[in-house]
Amino acid sequence: QKEVEQDPGPLSVPEGAIVSLNCTYSNSAFQYFMWYRQYSRKGPELLMYTYSSGNKEDGRFTAQVDKSSKYISLFIRDSQPSDSATYLCAMYGGKLIFGQGTELSVKP
Amino acid sequence: GAGVSQSPSNKVTEKGKDVELRCDPISGHTALYWYRQSLGQGLEFLIYFQGNSAPDKSGLPSDRFSAERTGGSVSTLTIQRTQQEDSAVYLCASSLYHVGTSSDDTQYFGPGTRLTVL
Repeated sequence: QKEVEQDPGPLSVPEGAIVSLNCTYSNSAFQYFMWYRQYSRKGPELLMYTYSSGNKEDGRFTAQVDKSSKYISLFIRDSQPSDSATYLCAMYGGKLIFGQGTELSVKP
Repeated sequence: GAGVSQSPSNKVTEKGKDVELRCDPISGHTALYWYRQSLGQGLEFLIYFQGNSAPDKSGLPSDRFSAERTGGSVSTLTIQRTQQEDSAVYLCASSLYHVGTSSDDTQYFGPGTRLTVL
């Protein structure tokens, strides 16, 4: 079993939809949780960074962490075609582990 | 300012050859990381440098892989006797501080080197 599980998709939604991206993990030592966005043929860029359970909002993006369920989510409101990318979750608890990434396509 | 740069952007080599991949981190960043990203896979940690400390090599998949960081800046990842399974995108990232040690530990990634071993 992988330490971090992420559905690879692909996920296709119409413009304006609410997108929900999720990761589950097995290691309770993870303390920091991150979401990265990666455009095709580019390096990942950090979107959101959370330290604790609960929600963190930044514009159209909301990161949610539920440590009791070992489950994290990224919500994208009013999705735009420019949001089309691969989204990777990452977690740190002594070492940084990335999920497989979910490929998202937002259709105009 | 300038971000993380990597060279070459693409490298095609024959099985059994050695390759060197270069990473120029953001100036002043003490931490430097190498990752490998295979098709449909997440990022696989390879090696981590922090200042003058001994590198964390725990992610290197075999002794064919090695890396060095000269003068606390530029880093080179070397793969000896390349195999077809080494084909992947090799990503370098740098950060001011190691993740989890500071509020300023964001990793900035380069565009990657796409390695194809024929």
